[in-house]
Amino acid sequence: GENVEQHPSTLSVQEGDSAVIKCTYSDSASNYFPWYKQELGKRPQLIIDIRSNVGEKKDQRIAVTLNKTAKHFSLHITETQPEDSAVYFCAASIRGNLIFGKGTKLSVKP
Amino acid sequence: ETGVTQTPRHLVMGMTNKKSLKCEQHLGHNAMYWYKQSAKKPLELMFVYNFKEQTENNSVPSRFSPECPNSSHLFLHLHTLQPEDSALYLCASSQRGLAGNEDEQYFGPGTRLTVT
Repeated sequence: GENVEQHPSTLSVQEGDSAVIKCTYSDSASNYFPWYKQELGKRPQLIIDIRSNVGEKKDQRIAVTLNKTAKHFSLHITETQPEDSAVYFCAASIRGNLIFGKGTKLSVKP
Repeated sequence: ETGVTQTPRHLVMGMTNKKSLKCEQHLGHNAMYWYKQSAKKPLELMFVYNFKEQTENNSVPSRFSPECPNSSHLFLHLHTLQPEDSALYLCASSQRGLAGNEDEQYFGPGTRLTVT
């Protein structure tokens, strides 16, 4: 069935380094790809999203790239800070609903 | 505050109990969702309501029964649950276009459910 694969499951970086999380999806009809951040004990919150008509989108230290041919998209966080520590989920829209990846636990060490 | 509230925030229930989870959105959205979040698993979509009509039931066992009386309220009725149903249940809402295209989903804080 349709699914979204997300890697890595855990990621530890030093403060100031960059972090990259990658996702692949199976349904070529998917056209919306959001990224959510979930801090411990809190609700998931959208941090950035991209639609299939663009290949890249940037918002300050966060960027997302999309390769529709290869069916993969990535989240890039530059100049990481301790407050970036959280679980990050990618998702792809399939028939109008979101299918989520398993999440990446990002730890930023000061 | 994202505008999506859920009650109760925590719930402990026995396998023979009946309880209900409530979700309310104050964002004027036309679609609402129930998700289950278990440890080391992705967010699992359970039910989707679009303009108060259920449009998705993701093979969820009948011991979970959703209800959407209007576009602002969503309930999840629980009965004869199993211990493996213990999880965080998240409600979300979004505004869908006429073509059903997806947009940002706003999540509630969730209900932490423990089945004993």
